[in-house]
Order: sequence, then structure tokens, then C-alpha cells
Amino acid sequence: GDSVTQMEGPVTLSEEAFLTINCTYTATGYPSLFWYVQYPGEGLQLLLKATKADDKGSNKGFEATYRKETTSFHLEKGSVQVSDSAVYFCALSDSGGSEKLVFGKGTKLTVNP
Amino acid sequence: DGGITQSPKYLFRKEGQNVTLSCEQNLNHDAMYWYRQDPGQGLRLIYYSQIVNDFQKGDIAEGYSVSREKKESFPLTVTSAQKNPTAFYLCASSIGSGAFTGELFFGEGSRLTVL
Repeated sequence: GDSVTQMEGPVTLSEEAFLTINCTYTATGYPSLFWYVQYPGEGLQLLLKATKADDKGSNKGFEATYRKETTSFHLEKGSVQVSDSAVYFCALSDSGGSEKLVFGKGTKLTVNP
Repeated sequence: DGGITQSPKYLFRKEGQNVTLSCEQNLNHDAMYWYRQDPGQGLRLIYYSQIVNDFQKGDIAEGYSVSREKKESFPLTVTSAQKNPTAFYLCASSIGSGAFTGELFFGEGSRLTVL
């Protein structure tokens, strides 16, 4: 079945550092790809998405590009802030046509001042 | 405010007892979902419902049951058959009705601890 693999965490960075969280996927069709973020004590919320190859999703300074040739959707931010500390989840839409998402295991990011 | 409301936030259960987690939404969404979150495991789908009076098993449905009698409500029962029920449970909804965008709206979760 479809699956998502994220880099293992936790990741600890200093403020203003560059962030990359790797995500690769396995899917039989052409899924849409997503990054969700979970701040401490909260549910998940959509951060950005891309629906087809070479699309770039962006939001709040975060970016990710849908790379079909490498089946990847890596999350990047040029300069992280303490407020970016959270758990980040990569996800894909099920290629079987059902309206559900498959999530990766999550990567915890801590940004120190 | 529109959103997903889960209750209770914290719940303790003795072994052998069933427990029901509530999930209510006022977003007028057709689809609703239950996920389980464990450390290092990410989110795993328990059940989902795309329309009232219909639901499908997810990847880890054993030991759980759901109902969808109303559009707004999707309660999850954790039965005594669930071998390891201690976890964080997240409910979510999406527009559904064939207009799936991939955006799920999540509640704040319910943490269940079995004593």
C-alpha cells in the first residue's frame, strides 16, 4: 500500500538556522502531498500542499516541492524561529480514490533561541 | 467558532472497560476520521466515514467501534478487546462529498490511559 517515510527526529536547531526535513513516499498512482504541523498540546493543521509533479507548496516561510522522479517532498525553511518548534508530518492522499490521508511518523523540531 | 470538539481531553480507564470518545463538528463536513497517535508511530487511521450511516475500517480498526448517526457526530468506542488502548486519539473532518482537497481539520485530541 501507499506509505510515507520521514527523517527520524528529533531535530534541534538554533534560531535563524536552515531547516530541511526529508520526506519520501511510495504510491501506486499520483497522490497529492501534504505537510501538517502539530504545535504542543494541539491537533494537527495543514501547513502546505502540492497536487502534482513539480508543484511547490509554500506557507509561513516553509516550502516543499513535489519531485516525482525522486518520489520526495522535502520541507525547507530558510530561517527558523522558536515559534516553529513543533512536530511536522508528511502525508499523501490515498491513490485508491478514497478520501483519506496516509501520514509519516512525524519529526519533532525544537528551535533554541 | 467553527471547528472540531473532542471530549474528554483526558480519560482514565480500568482494564476490561469500554470507553467512548466524543467528536463533534460544526463545519458541515461530510467526512470524519479517527486517528491514533503513539510516540514514534505517527498517525494511524482507525475508522473513517464519508457520509452519514456509513463508515469504513482503517488500518487498525480491531478493538474499536464507531457510529455515524448524525452528520455532526462520530463517536469512537474503545472496547476491552483493544489490547493496548493507551494512546492519544485525534478526530478530524474534511469537506468530503467528492470534493476532497486533502485538508483535514483536527480536534485537540483525547488522551486515554488504561490503569
